[in-house]
Amino acid sequence: EAQVTQNPRYLITVTGKKLTVTCSQNMNHEYMSWYRQDPGLGLRQIYYSMNVEVTDKGDVPEGYKVSRKEKRNFPLILESPSPNQTSLYFCATSVAPYNSPLHFGNGTRLTVT
Amino acid sequence: KNQVEQSPQSLIILEGKNCTLQCNYTVSPFSNLRWYKQDTGRGPVSLTIMTFSENTKSNGRYTATLDADTKQSSLHITASQLSDSASYICVVSATGGYNKLIFGAGTRLAVHP
Repeated sequence: EAQVTQNPRYLITVTGKKLTVTCSQNMNHEYMSWYRQDPGLGLRQIYYSMNVEVTDKGDVPEGYKVSRKEKRNFPLILESPSPNQTSLYFCATSVAPYNSPLHFGNGTRLTVT
Repeated sequence: KNQVEQSPQSLIILEGKNCTLQCNYTVSPFSNLRWYKQDTGRGPVSLTIMTFSENTKSNGRYTATLDADTKQSSLHITASQLSDSASYICVVSATGGYNKLIFGAGTRLAVHP
């Protein structure tokens, strides 16, 4: 079964404590991306990756890092989380993001106190 | 400025009734328009993708229309079911030296028995 798996689903942390949200896909897609979703706003892109070792900033990259060391995994790293990073995060993959559907994970709800 | 605006913000209908959700966009250069369904607590799932030359596309009880001249799209849901309760997100793809996906904020639909 085609899957995009995010972990954890829920995370509560404190300001400044480094955390990583993992994303793994089994569809062999080259494109992977991270989004955050906040009430009243559309999904906003944080970072994306067109292939292994190729990453680029999206619309709201400040305070986030990513890495793409292997095709199936695309972790999102918050080195020093702040309360304004409290949000719902989604990982998405696609075979061709601008012509084919995105496949989303089920989200990670992050609360930073 | 590239924008995707959806209306209404929220909608309540009775089970069995039809409804239509709207999406207006100012995105250039236009490549395609997608509709996604997002159940509460889950990632968005693709319903349809339409290119410039397509003006209607169906997926079961969901029918999307596109008027590329007026830059408007609609999603029509026929004979609604309780399981249609979700947010519906319109996404426009811009390509041609400016590859980008622009997300609308979504319409939250509640279907009541």
